[in-house]
Amino acid sequence: EPEVTQTPSHQVTQMGQEVILRCVPISNHLYFYWYRQILGQKVEFLVSFYNNEISEKSEIFDDQFSVERPDGSNFTLKIRSTKLEDSAMYFCASRAGTGAFYGYTFGSGTRLTVV
Amino acid sequence: KQEVTQIPAALSVPEGENLVLNCSFTDSAIYNLQWFRQDPGKGLTSLLLIQSSQREQTSGRLNASLDKSSGRSTLYIAASQPGDSATYLCAVGPSGNTPLVFGKGTRLSVIA
Repeated sequence: EPEVTQTPSHQVTQMGQEVILRCVPISNHLYFYWYRQILGQKVEFLVSFYNNEISEKSEIFDDQFSVERPDGSNFTLKIRSTKLEDSAMYFCASRAGTGAFYGYTFGSGTRLTVV
Repeated sequence: KQEVTQIPAALSVPEGENLVLNCSFTDSAIYNLQWFRQDPGKGLTSLLLIQSSQREQTSGRLNASLDKSSGRSTLYIAASQPGDSATYLCAVGPSGNTPLVFGKGTRLSVIA
């Protein structure tokens, strides 16, 4: 079964530092996403990415956040200056298409702790 | 704005029992609905995907139904086992590339 791979599994960073979360989506998928889950809360959408550009972003995804697909396999989320409230589990997801037939495959997540 | 609610928030059952988890959504104009399993501190594992044109999907001991007109989906787990203990998340796909909207989940404990 193809997997979405995320690294690192856990990252601790000091407030104000930059972090980059990395994801390797499934190889034949075209649509890529970042979601996050603050402890005890719902999984919430951050950004979607297709054809090397952002398709949609939520109000959470402000100027402190950016995404990039630097090569043919990696998909990254950068947080420029982390805040305490950025502490959450960050999930990368991908899917092959946008029709009703296509489900999302999620990675195992990166737990980000900002201290 | 689509809202997804899952009831109950937590459920504890003895091993072997059949159980139903509920998901409701406010806007019936959906593309599909996906059920996920989340173990503590872990990622989301897809269990079942139901397209809006379908009424149910089955995988092993799991059966998910969808009633779009009433804004409801159920996940039926037959003959529950301790290994089924996890949080079950319902997520609605509004349309096309519009992002998934998640419920808060039902935390299931199956007691041996």
